[in-house]
Amino acid sequence: AQSVSQHNHHVILSEAASLELGCNYSYGGTVNLFWYVQYPGQHLQLLLKYFSGDPLVKGIKGFEAEFIKSKFSFNLRKPSVQWSDTAEYFCAVNLYSSASKIIFGSGTRLSIRP
Amino acid sequence: SQTIHQWPATLVQPVGSPLSLECTVEGTSNPNLYWYRQAAGRGLQLLFYSVGIGQISSEVPQNLSASRPQDRQFILSSKKLLLSDSGFYLCAWSRGSARGEQYFGPGTRLTVT
Repeated sequence: AQSVSQHNHHVILSEAASLELGCNYSYGGTVNLFWYVQYPGQHLQLLLKYFSGDPLVKGIKGFEAEFIKSKFSFNLRKPSVQWSDTAEYFCAVNLYSSASKIIFGSGTRLSIRP
Repeated sequence: SQTIHQWPATLVQPVGSPLSLECTVEGTSNPNLYWYRQAAGRGLQLLFYSVGIGQISSEVPQNLSASRPQDRQFILSSKKLLLSDSGFYLCAWSRGSARGEQYFGPGTRLTVT
């Protein structure tokens, strides 16, 4: 069965540190890839997405992610985190064969020390 | 602009009681609609999705059911709640043509006692 793995369950960083959250998926076909973010007390919202083209995609608030097809990965990065980045981050995959559904990873909780 | 509403925001129900959670979307037509359950450390589990009125796909066999009586209304129900039904339930919508980009509601915290 298709799955999405986020190996970091809880990441704690100091402000200005660099961030990389891992995401791997298991599916050999064409995929669309997403990172969603849930700030404390807020709705889950889209951070960035990859459909095709340049494998390095940029999202809101300085985040970016790189799609590496050979590694089945879509890691999220930010060069310098801020306290306001404290949130839970979810990687998600839409299988091209299934237009309506996306599969979410288990999430990574990011805590930023001020 | 589009908005999505869920109610109630919180609910405490005894075991064996019925459940009805409602989700409505405004500002769009013929959306795809989804029900998820979010558990700490386990991400979002897709429960049901619908691509049109009366069309429901179930992802996980369980004590719940879903219905879509109107184009922009999605209802999650149970005839008899179990303790294991406690959780945070999220409704989401997407445009029929958009692959995977979904918009989420504020959620309902359900506690079964």
